[in-house]
Amino acid sequence: DIQMTQSPSSLSASVGDRVTITCQASQDISNDLNWYQQKPGKAPKLLIYDAYNLEAGVTSRFSGSGSGTDFSLTISRLLPEDLATYFCQQYHNLPYTFGQGTKLGIK
Amino acid sequence: VQLAQSGAEVKKPGASVKVSCWASGYPFTTYTIQWVRQAPGQRLEWMGWINTGNGNTKFSQKFQGRVTFTSDTSASTAYMELSSLRSEDTAVYFCARGRGVGAALFDYWGQGTLVTVSS
Repeated sequence: DIQMTQSPSSLSASVGDRVTITCQASQDISNDLNWYQQKPGKAPKLLIYDAYNLEAGVTSRFSGSGSGTDFSLTISRLLPEDLATYFCQQYHNLPYTFGQGTKLGIK
Repeated sequence: VQLAQSGAEVKKPGASVKVSCWASGYPFTTYTIQWVRQAPGQRLEWMGWINTGNGNTKFSQKFQGRVTFTSDTSASTAYMELSSLRSEDTAVYFCARGRGVGAALFDYWGQGTLVTVSS
């Protein structure tokens, strides 16, 4: 199975900050990577697909980049509503696998 | 688009559980339904999918032999049944609509169903 490792596991940032979360795959997955946001007690929400494509209806403050084994999710200007856990997911091979999550807190 | 799941369940070890996922707002048979679970404090774990158009299924090897996916197209509802439950199966179970290559973009999710396995 392809292992997905996110860093950091948690972070705290201030409103207005630029935040970057990284995701590393255990092997080359091309750009077969999605990013999700999960708010406490809620279902995940698709933010970015195919590594860099913004899902319809998602604010452009979110962006994704990377290919191969190293990927990142960036929030350009942090807002209080961005408090959530963020997951990456690879779909290059079955079984689809997820990162362990990055819990984002607001200072 | 909405996916509405059945309510929380408490089961004893060795029992089975069946979770339903009612889809609305789109033609049910045009998208695959994926199943994912999340144990307490753990990462999301993909279980498999059902192609609601033809009934074909795909499972993660971890659940092979213990999980069954079915769908009722007349009711726009998909089902996940997990048997031989053990404590490690305690988790929130999600259905999600799958889009794109390999139905791998989970673009709409159900609210989740908590399954607790306890004696």
